[in-house]
Amino acid sequence: DAGITQSPRHKVTETGTPVTLRCHQTENHRYMYWYRQDPGHGLRLIHYSYGVKDTDKGEVSDGYSVSRSKTEDFLLTLESATSSQTSVYFCAISDGQGSYNEQFFGPGTRLTVL
Amino acid sequence: GENVEQHPSTLSVQEGDSAVIKCTYSDSASNYFPWYKQELGKGPQLIIDIRSNVGEKKDQRIAVTLNKTAKHFSLHITETQPEDSAVYFCAASEGYSGAGSYQLTFGKGTKLSVIP
Repeated sequence: DAGITQSPRHKVTETGTPVTLRCHQTENHRYMYWYRQDPGHGLRLIHYSYGVKDTDKGEVSDGYSVSRSKTEDFLLTLESATSSQTSVYFCAISDGQGSYNEQFFGPGTRLTVL
Repeated sequence: GENVEQHPSTLSVQEGDSAVIKCTYSDSASNYFPWYKQELGKGPQLIIDIRSNVGEKKDQRIAVTLNKTAKHFSLHITETQPEDSAVYFCAASEGYSGAGSYQLTFGKGTKLSVIP
């Protein structure tokens, strides 16, 4: 398995509170991604990073921000959590070598916003 | 942007039979097509991928075929076993887009159940 950990693995929070999810990799890969997974929607990209301090938006970025201050860590922040952000969040990494994009996923974080 | 359709959404097969999952994509610039297997409570695991310069790829009991003209690709699992039961996702990517990312667009998944 790719060296990817996510923390916390489970979290319950209340509407309006800030939440930060962490993704940590030991593969020294350049690219890191945050996805959310919801029934009937598959995996949807929230934000991605292509290097330290280099990030960009994905398909469903509203209400989320990210930061990457070190190669190994990619943080996803919900500034003010809403019930619609209840989901399972996955981090993925890829090395960005060549023309293709093999992405490897972490174990996920289940977030419940009450 | 890219749009990936995946069918069927659920599939039940008897142990030992074959299973086929099909995906179509919309962007003719896509050139990389991975398949992921997700077991309950775990993250998606890359099981096989195919690139646009290849029409078919096989790895033991799993194979993937690609038809670029028709813009569809399929996953074939032969001699299915109970441990093949999982949700399978297809995805498509046009590779390096020049905007700093290789973005994957995923299908919505197929829940495969292998009945012993």
